[in-house]
Amino acid sequence: DTAVSQTPKYLVTQMGNDKSIKCEQNLGHDTMYWYKQDSKKFLKIMFSYNNKELIINETVPNRFSPKSPDKAHLNLHINSLELGDSAVYFCASSHYLQGMAEAFFGQGTRLTVV
Amino acid sequence: AQSVTQLGSHVSVSEGALVLLRCNYSSSVPPYLFWYVQYPNQGLQLLLKYTTGATLVKGINGFEAEFKKSETSFHLTKPSAHMSDAAEYFCAVRTAGGTSYGKLTFGQGTILTVHP
Repeated sequence: DTAVSQTPKYLVTQMGNDKSIKCEQNLGHDTMYWYKQDSKKFLKIMFSYNNKELIINETVPNRFSPKSPDKAHLNLHINSLELGDSAVYFCASSHYLQGMAEAFFGQGTRLTVV
Repeated sequence: AQSVTQLGSHVSVSEGALVLLRCNYSSSVPPYLFWYVQYPNQGLQLLLKYTTGATLVKGINGFEAEFKKSETSFHLTKPSAHMSDAAEYFCAVRTAGGTSYGKLTFGQGTILTVHP
């Protein structure tokens, strides 16, 4: 069983389109995250949800909107895609209250905007 | 604010040689430290972590790291490199408590190349 799964794994789309990436975790964690890995492989957090509540919202264009229908799911919707949005997006989950607990990552979604 | 610096974006070793990947962190409160490995087109897999207690921590695949508070370092080592160790390695810090809400701050990554 995959612990953190993301779909799709690859996404190629044109500028201006709207797209969504889905993430699900079956680890029973209460906190989920979206990280962006740019072309230089640098990883930076974008958002975090704890029990469906947004708790981290880094400086991210408001074209990006996360949604968490329940503790096990965190989706990322991106409006009006731009070339600069091309990156690998990773979903992760962890136990927030267990501060020493590590985050588990999904396989990533490689988004290419053309 | 917390930050992580990985010295050396590329490290190349021979198979069987010692692997040393350097990581220094900055944190105003006691940190939790992690090393993750990323194979090509894969997600991040935890190698090891330091939270509290013993400062020398052992992880998977023969890797270990030592937390040195006085040096604010958490270097990753492996006595003998294997071809399968070729990957990119990320050091990360997570602040205990506070308002970080468990977010990880990553270093820039170090690509490890192992040649025969």
